[in-house]
Amino acid sequence: QVQLQESGPGLVKPSQTLSLACSVSGDSISSGGYYWNWIRQHPGKGLEWIGYIYSSGSAYYNPSLKSRVTMSVDTSKNQLSLDLRSVSAADTAVYYCARGDHCSDTNCYGRWFDPWGQGTLVTVSS
Amino acid sequence: DIEMTQSPSSLSASVGDRVTITCRASDTVGTYLNWYQQKPGKAPKVLIFAASSLQSGVPSRFSGSGSGTDFTLTISSLHPEDFATYYCQQTYTTPTWTFGQGTKVEIK
Repeated sequence: QVQLQESGPGLVKPSQTLSLACSVSGDSISSGGYYWNWIRQHPGKGLEWIGYIYSSGSAYYNPSLKSRVTMSVDTSKNQLSLDLRSVSAADTAVYYCARGDHCSDTNCYGRWFDPWGQGTLVTVSS
Repeated sequence: DIEMTQSPSSLSASVGDRVTITCRASDTVGTYLNWYQQKPGKAPKVLIFAASSLQSGVPSRFSGSGSGTDFTLTISSLHPEDFATYYCQQTYTTPTWTFGQGTKVEIK
């Protein structure tokens, strides 16, 4: 059973870089053609997709965050990472990583996220 | 970006009630529509993917329907553990995947 676990500092100063890691256990990050996502949720608010990355390193970012985001994978550690630069209070949120799956056959066309990590709260404050 | 609008934003229901939540997309998303359940302090969990496919392990009282721009999540008979917030998500247009604003299902 695949499990994901986010880690990183809970407090980041404004203008600095938020760096998080997501450790994957139970399966290789390189297997199965999955893609690996970061999603965030502002306190008491809805969900915002940040982007995804394949184990090959190919990444796609939400255009609203693209100028500040970099994702990477370390297959030797079975881990993915998120860097968000020049943060402000508006970046305070719970950050989740999630595995992306897909289907594309006669009876199924879709892409979805499962499973998710438990999430980690990052507060941007001086 | 495709906007996802859920209705209602919240609802009160009793155990045993049939509950329907709708999600409307501002443009077609085909069947690239998922439903997630989120309980307080927990990560979202997928219930329905590709508009109508039930995720393994999810009770059969949950069902999804629709295609194009209009979608529905139905809980046929509400159980106590179903009180949560539900989100729809479109994954049709890469890289601008978006979620609905959520529907909170509360105990009446």
